[in-house]
Amino acid sequence: DQQVKQNSPSLSVQEGRISILNCDYTNSMFDYFLWYKKYPAEGPTFLISISSIKDKNEDGRFTVFLNKSAKHLSLHIVPSQPGDSAVYFCAATFLGNEKLTFGTGTRLTIIP
Amino acid sequence: GAGVSQSPSNKVTEKGKDVELRCDPISGHTALYWYRQSLGQGLEFLIYFQGNSAPDKSGLPSDRFSAERTGGSVSTLTIQRTQQEDSAVYLCASSLTGVGTDTQYFGPGTRLTVL
Repeated sequence: DQQVKQNSPSLSVQEGRISILNCDYTNSMFDYFLWYKKYPAEGPTFLISISSIKDKNEDGRFTVFLNKSAKHLSLHIVPSQPGDSAVYFCAATFLGNEKLTFGTGTRLTIIP
Repeated sequence: GAGVSQSPSNKVTEKGKDVELRCDPISGHTALYWYRQSLGQGLEFLIYFQGNSAPDKSGLPSDRFSAERTGGSVSTLTIQRTQQEDSAVYLCASSLTGVGTDTQYFGPGTRLTVL
């Protein structure tokens, strides 16, 4: 049972445009959400997070939006840069649960 | 400072053999996690350590899998009698305190191939 879903395995975006990566979850207990970025042959690196008490969190070019009623979150990258080409994983957890539950990832390709 | 390191980076083994994977967490991090990523899948939680004890082993897929952590630092994941379905990238992560909102820092992973 996939509790965190990333339904788009891949996405291509022109350099300078906005990249939007989507994630859906089913477990209502999740109250903390994260995005990780992964380059080939490297481990995932933390990008940005959001608590369920917020609906938006921004960090430079990266913004995460959370819609609790729809159990949906999205990561916006603007403007997209070639170095953003990577696999992006959405993850979720809740207070008292130390492990992260990950989605299957979306491969983002930025076209120069 | 040094990040999380894992060894070996690649391991090819024959079905039925035992393998040991090693993780060196960031110095001072009390929490350590093992995940694995099979082809086309997301990261799957295996086990969590707080210090030397493992309060959550719920993700270990079978009794062929075991892990230990000594001295609150290095951890080894052992897979006995490996099967082809064990082929995956095994990732280790550590965090400062283990609280759910604490950032987990990942190592580069060990790619295990079982022939």
